[in-house]
Amino acid sequence: GAGVSQSPRYKVTKRGQDVTLRCDPISSHATLYWYQQALGQGPEFLTYFNYEAQPDKSGLPSDRFSAERPEGSISTLTIQRTEQRDSAMYRCASSLGGRSNEQFFGPGTRLTVL
Amino acid sequence: AQKITQTQPGMFVQEKEAVTLDCTYDTSDQSYGLFWYKQPSSGEMIFLIYQGSYDEQNATEGRYSLNFQKARKSANLVISASQLGDSAMYFCAMRPPGAGSYQLTFGKGTKLSVIP
Repeated sequence: GAGVSQSPRYKVTKRGQDVTLRCDPISSHATLYWYQQALGQGPEFLTYFNYEAQPDKSGLPSDRFSAERPEGSISTLTIQRTEQRDSAMYRCASSLGGRSNEQFFGPGTRLTVL
Repeated sequence: AQKITQTQPGMFVQEKEAVTLDCTYDTSDQSYGLFWYKQPSSGEMIFLIYQGSYDEQNATEGRYSLNFQKARKSANLVISASQLGDSAMYFCAMRPPGAGSYQLTFGKGTKLSVIP
């Protein structure tokens, strides 16, 4: 596609529910990243994929968070048993990969856990 | 571990004036990349400029330039001839070296307001 797209743009859920967020990167981009951005803060790295491989999960805050990219294109981020502290903007970014300088960010999904 | 510090939570600048947004970083690596992103109120993240640690010249992109002082570990963003559309949050970020080290570490941001 022309840019990185994410869905849904807004998600409100109740504590304890599972949520799945979707990211559709730029079609030629090998590398895909997930970031979490709390209100008034900069984005914080969660995990990334190089095609379908997931070399680094170090930023995932707990085992309730998981991400997939089974065919090396679209990715999903799933949060199980959501907690209020999970409320944040979740941003996806993609890049050509390797030492490419620029990461292109999607519009984000605003998650609110009640 | 890398750390990015942006000490100015908010800045004001008169339209058509230049403004400098501060960014300092902490790393023990010799090879790294520094980035600036703009986040307008719409929420998107817009890439502005990149500086590699071994680049001999300061990066420039149109009205944006990066004042890179490696010894002081600072990478300040200079915006010349400010425009009303420059009002936004600005984030400084670093990418560490090494294969597979692709993730960006961001600062907390500076909110720039351009006054007409």
